[in-house]
Amino acid sequence: KAGVTQTPRYLIKTRGQQVTLSCSPISGHRSVSWYQQTPGQGLQFLFEYFSETQRNKGNFPGRFSGRQFSNSRSEMNVSTLELGDSALYLCASSLVVAGVSSTDTQYFGPGTRLTVL
Amino acid sequence: DQQVKQNSPSLSVQEGRISILNCDYTNSMFDYFLWYKKYPAEGPTFLISISSIKDKNEDGRFTVFLNKSAKHLSLHIVPSQPGDSAVYFCAASARRNAGNMLTFGGGTRLMVKP
Repeated sequence: KAGVTQTPRYLIKTRGQQVTLSCSPISGHRSVSWYQQTPGQGLQFLFEYFSETQRNKGNFPGRFSGRQFSNSRSEMNVSTLELGDSALYLCASSLVVAGVSSTDTQYFGPGTRLTVL
Repeated sequence: DQQVKQNSPSLSVQEGRISILNCDYTNSMFDYFLWYKKYPAEGPTFLISISSIKDKNEDGRFTVFLNKSAKHLSLHIVPSQPGDSAVYFCAASARRNAGNMLTFGGGTRLMVKP
């Protein structure tokens, strides 16, 4: 079974621009979560989508948004990029057999390295 | 406030010996714990997990121990191999309240010397 895929793998943008990152979960997985990894803050949760609905949201500004499509693929968007948005953005998918109560392990993709100049 | 802490930023172990990585948490709502291994510029790879109803879970060379009263978990790798050299993250979730949101520790860099 193919793993979580993320595109693009690398991206360079300038301040003020916006960016869209894409994530395809493992086949059959219905939950997609996004995380940001930076040297200073470590791995931080951005948001989770399940059945095309945002189920959880981390402590990030409204410039960070996402969506999930009916095939469970997800995109995240960052508007008005700032230098501090330079990070590795990771997507993770999980099966969510139990519905609301999540008991399933999250499997991560390779990440998108975003550099903001 | 850091709800999940890995107090040792690095650990060096000889090949064949035991590696013990530690993790402490403060949020008593956490009920599911995971360990991930990460190489630079790659996503974390799932290693092993444990539910709060257990105190031990084993998978091959990897064993995770959970001490709920101390809010402490540890990952034991026996025997350690050079390929185990990576950054290890512990993560926790409060599944009843927060679904799939994982809170990560800061990571411990493990170096296994041949």
